[in-house]
Amino acid sequence: RKEVEQDPGPFNVPEGATVAFNCTYSNSASQSFFWYRQDCRKEPKLLMSVYSSGNEDGRFTAQLNRASQYISLLIRDSKLSDSATYLCVVTPHGSSNTGKLIFGQGTTLQVKP
Amino acid sequence: EPEVTQTPSHQVTQMGQEVILRCVPISNHLYFYWYRQILGQKVEFLVSFYNNEISEKSEIFDDQFSVERPDGSNFTLKIRSTKLEDSAMYFCASPRTSGGRQQETQYFGPGTRLLVL
Repeated sequence: RKEVEQDPGPFNVPEGATVAFNCTYSNSASQSFFWYRQDCRKEPKLLMSVYSSGNEDGRFTAQLNRASQYISLLIRDSKLSDSATYLCVVTPHGSSNTGKLIFGQGTTLQVKP
Repeated sequence: EPEVTQTPSHQVTQMGQEVILRCVPISNHLYFYWYRQILGQKVEFLVSFYNNEISEKSEIFDDQFSVERPDGSNFTLKIRSTKLEDSAMYFCASPRTSGGRQQETQYFGPGTRLLVL
C-alpha cells in the first residue's frame, strides 16, 4: 500500500465550482499533514497545514480524520489560477524522524472559463 | 517567504559523468533536505542533512550520491556516475524555522532539471 494515496484526476471544473480532493495515508502514527500546490515544472509550495480540528484559509478548507487516516481539501469558488497539482504531504512519526516529507502523487485540477 | 536558491536551473550531461547540484538554503538553518521528482511521478525524499552530516537517507540515495556543505552557505548534491534514470528534477528544501525538524513544513528551491543522455 502506498504511504500517501491520492486520486490523480484530472479534475476539470468550471470557474466558480466547488471541488474536493481526498487523500489517505497508511501510517497511523503520521505526525504532521500538509497540502502543497505544484504548478507545472515548478517547485512544491505550501498551501496550508492540516489540523485535526479542521482549518480554513479563504476559499480553502482542509480537514483531517486521524481515525480514518484521511485528509481532505475543499476549494470553493474555483478560479482559473487554482489550476495546478495539489499534493498531499505527511511527516512520519518516530524518534528517528528527521522531518522528511512524504508526498502523494498529486491530484491535478484544471479550472475552465 | 524565505528563499531557497538552486543552481544550475538546468543541466544536461552524458551518462557516466559526475554532476554537482548546488543549493543555498535559508541562512542559519541546521536542517537541509534533497528531494527528486522524475517527470510525471511524485516527489521523493532523498536525504536529510543536519549539522554537517547525513541524518537520514532513502533507498534511492545509494553510493553514487553524496551531499556536502563545502562552506557556511552552500549545500551540494553530487552524483558520481550518472545513469539515464537519474534524469529528474532535484529540489533542495529548508524547514520553516531554524530549529525546525519534525512537524515543520519546508520551503523548496526552484529545482535543478537534470537530463542524462
